[in-house]
Amino acid sequence: AQSVTQLGSHVSVSEGALVLLRCNYSSSVPPYLFWYVQYPNQGLQLLLKYTSAATLVKGINGFEAEFKKSETSFHLTKPSAHMSDAAEYFCAVSERGGADGLTFGKGTHLIIQP
Amino acid sequence: DADVTQTPRNRITKTGKRIMLECSQTKGHDRMYWYRQDPGLGLRLIYYSFDVKDINKGEISDGYSVSRQAQAKFSLSLESAIPNQTALYFCATSEGEGLGYTFGSGTRLTVV
Repeated sequence: AQSVTQLGSHVSVSEGALVLLRCNYSSSVPPYLFWYVQYPNQGLQLLLKYTSAATLVKGINGFEAEFKKSETSFHLTKPSAHMSDAAEYFCAVSERGGADGLTFGKGTHLIIQP
Repeated sequence: DADVTQTPRNRITKTGKRIMLECSQTKGHDRMYWYRQDPGLGLRLIYYSFDVKDINKGEISDGYSVSRQAQAKFSLSLESAIPNQTALYFCATSEGEGLGYTFGSGTRLTVV
């Protein structure tokens, strides 16, 4: 079975600083990989996804993520944090050719300090 | 109108009561899903459906049942609600493998 580990349930950065949210997966075959964002009292919004093309994936709101097969990682970054980035972020995987549905990490709450 | 609509948005019910959460979509997607979100646990898959005749259990299906009434409608039922089913429930749709998922706004269910 697949699993997703998000390191750090809470991450705090200063406004304007680099944002780095970590995600590692366990799967024998590189899966599809996703990052979702959840703002307070809202549903989940897709930030970006990796399917099998470029390993550096650009998403919305200035976020990007790099797929590293050797490290089984898909970390999310943003060069300069904005107050509006404060939210819960979820990494998720979907197995290629297997049972459907997303397997989610436990989430990372991003706090932006003024 | 939202692509994926969940009703109700909030519900408080008593232990032992039967409750149904409804989901409808205008995306035209065949695949629909029900997830449950608990603080610190992320989202976990309850049931999923590839079409009206194809229903599959997810990671945490015990205590839940579903009905796929049409391509656009997928309902989740709690036959006899219990307090540990208090959670935020999300419906989602997908066009296919690896193509991403569209989530509804969620139903916050409280069982007292």
